[in-house]
Amino acid sequence: QSALTQPASVSGSPGQSITISCTGTSSDVGGYNYVSWYQQHPGKAPKLIIFEVSNRPSGVPDRFSGSKSGNTASLTISGLQAEDEADYYCSSYTYNDLGVFGGGTKVTVL
Amino acid sequence: EVQLLESGGGLVQPGGSLRLSCVASGFTFNRYAMAWVRQAPGKGLEWVSSISPSGGTTYYADSVRGRFTISRDNSKNTLFLQMNSLGAEDTAIYYCAQEVWLQFYNWGQGALVTVSS
Repeated sequence: QSALTQPASVSGSPGQSITISCTGTSSDVGGYNYVSWYQQHPGKAPKLIIFEVSNRPSGVPDRFSGSKSGNTASLTISGLQAEDEADYYCSSYTYNDLGVFGGGTKVTVL
Repeated sequence: EVQLLESGGGLVQPGGSLRLSCVASGFTFNRYAMAWVRQAPGKGLEWVSSISPSGGTTYYADSVRGRFTISRDNSKNTLFLQMNSLGAEDTAIYYCAQEVWLQFYNWGQGALVTVSS
C-alpha cells in the first residue's frame, strides 16, 4: 500500500491562505469520497478536521476547507493563525479496504 | 463525549509480545468499526489494522499481517491489539481510533511501545 503524496512543508504569514495537496491514485483518492484530513500538534494525538473530502466536524473553524479533483485532494487554510502551526495528514479509503495516510505536511506560520 | 483510553504499552525485547487495550465510552461501541494507527518516533502516521463493528471482519497492513491480531469485546466496550514477534520497527505510539470508512473520527491519547534489548 503506497502512501499518499503530500509536500513536506508549507508556510505562510498570518492572515494568508495556504493549500496542502494530497495525491493518490484512482484506487484511493480518485475513486472514493472518503478522504479525510488530520491536524497534529507536537506531543498530541491527531484530530480529525475534514471528512468525506469537504465536511468539517462540529467545532472545527470554517477557515479549514477541503476539496478534490481527480486523484488529488486539497486542504486549504484561510486566514492563517499562529495556532494552525502543526503537522497535517491526509488519508483515504482504498479499493482493498486497507488504510493509507499521506507522509504529512509541516505547516509553519511565519 | 467520546473517550478512548489505551493501555498496555511498555518496553519489550525483540521477538517478544505485547497486548494493547483500548476502552471506549461516550458512543455506542458495537455500531462502529475501530482501528489502530501508529506513529514511529519523529515519523508520520501509519494505519495498522481495522475491525468491523461485530468483530467478524479484520484488516491488516502488510507490515504487521501474520504478527498482529486485532479483536474486540463489545460487552466490555474494549478494543485489543495482540502484537507478536515484535521488532525495532514496531517501536511507536499506538493510537486506537473510532472509524467510519477508514476515516478516523476520534482518537485515544496513545500508548507507547518500545522494542529494545
